[in-house]
Amino acid sequence: NAGVTQTPKFQVLKTGQSMTLQCAQDMNHEYMSWYRQDPGMGLRLIHYSVGAGITDQGEVPNGYNVSRSTTEDFPLRLLSAAPSQTSVYFCASSLWANSPLHFGNGTRLTVT
Amino acid sequence: AQTVTQSQPEMSVQEAETVTLSCTYDTSENNYYLFWYKQPPSRQMILVIRQEAYKQQNATENRFSVNFQKAAKSFSLKISDSQLGDTAMYFCALRVGYALNFGKGTSLLVTP
Repeated sequence: NAGVTQTPKFQVLKTGQSMTLQCAQDMNHEYMSWYRQDPGMGLRLIHYSVGAGITDQGEVPNGYNVSRSTTEDFPLRLLSAAPSQTSVYFCASSLWANSPLHFGNGTRLTVT
Repeated sequence: AQTVTQSQPEMSVQEAETVTLSCTYDTSENNYYLFWYKQPPSRQMILVIRQEAYKQQNATENRFSVNFQKAAKSFSLKISDSQLGDTAMYFCALRVGYALNFGKGTSLLVTP
């Protein structure tokens, strides 16, 4: 039972490049979400999904795109990376809306 | 909108002593859940304790307990018999429906 798996662990991008952060869970969780963590800011919700085919925006969605084609996977796409997107990104999932979140180990992204 | 406030950016405690981390929150909802998460230097997010708003009894997990004051919208975390391994960032979080809002965190240092 792997839990929530995020790849890659580290990534460096140049401004304007695109990339996808991968997130997969094997716990059959309906709810999946992406957070970014910046120093002094806590964790802020980017996008979330309550099931396959259903996604919605969180607090800081601009510059990010998501899709949920399967229950297991919830990739986060940066279409044109900007230095302001330098951050640590966490994927998290839960069984229900009121359940504790299970977190991946995070991706440290640097945009130069 | 929901907000979570942690007013202590940094705290320190000696090994074996007791420390209390503060958290206040704001929501107009009656049905919600509160969590404390721990983030050690490894960056992993670890659930420490969970409290359902409809339960009056304070949650306890081994050395960790909460003081949940619903009317005051306060949710403090008490760590008893502090251990060096408790050194970490601690985040208070409020979950209303699908949205989970985090405070900015308290950095706890346990000293020998």
